Amino acid sequence: DAGITQSPRHKVTETGTPVTLRCHQTENHRYMYWYRQDPGHGLRLIHYSYGVKDTDKGEVSDGYSVSRSKTEDFLLTLESATSSQTSVYFCAISERVFTFGSGTRLTVV
Amino acid sequence: AQSVAQPEDQVNVAEGNPLTVKCTYSVSGNPYLFWYVQYPNRGLQFLLKYITGDNLVKGSYGFEAEFNKSQTSFHLKKPSALVSDSALYFCAGGAGTASKLTFGTGTRLQVTL
Repeated sequence: DAGITQSPRHKVTETGTPVTLRCHQTENHRYMYWYRQDPGHGLRLIHYSYGVKDTDKGEVSDGYSVSRSKTEDFLLTLESATSSQTSVYFCAISERVFTFGSGTRLTVV
Repeated sequence: AQSVAQPEDQVNVAEGNPLTVKCTYSVSGNPYLFWYVQYPNRGLQFLLKYITGDNLVKGSYGFEAEFNKSQTSFHLKKPSALVSDSALYFCAGGAGTASKLTFGTGTRLQVTL
């Protein structure tokens, strides 16, 4: 999607390893978000940011941390990946309308 | 806490017939409501939003949604469905500046010939 990119697109990792997902935007939007999508749950908010170094927890933040050192980048880290974190992760940016990235499919084995 | 409900996991409709995908919300204050569509292996695409103003909101691809404050609903509609409308549809809502959106669980729309 224009203006927002996620990397990697796919990743397989082992239980217990750290994983970092990257979201990069070129729109200079203030708000950035990380959601996970799971069948039967829709999208659930993990963490969000309302400016550089300003972040807050969402409804499913346990096991995740985030960092935003620049306006354009929002990183999601799984400190020690577990199988329950197998999911599709979406980054979004917002200035009243949310725009989503293409997603990262993460498999924890 | 705010919540959004989509009571139907799947909606089936024949091409050319009208379609409705249901959504109800619970948001304190004035709600900001959105519909997004997701095609396989893709991100979510914005369809339409309600922030204030007319209760009937028109969006992309011929879709529209009706905001009903008394019933706390925001149903998505289209007068004539197309096979290409088959996808996963998400309703989402928030309050205030919409700095956080809560999503429904999604409704899969299947349009058949």
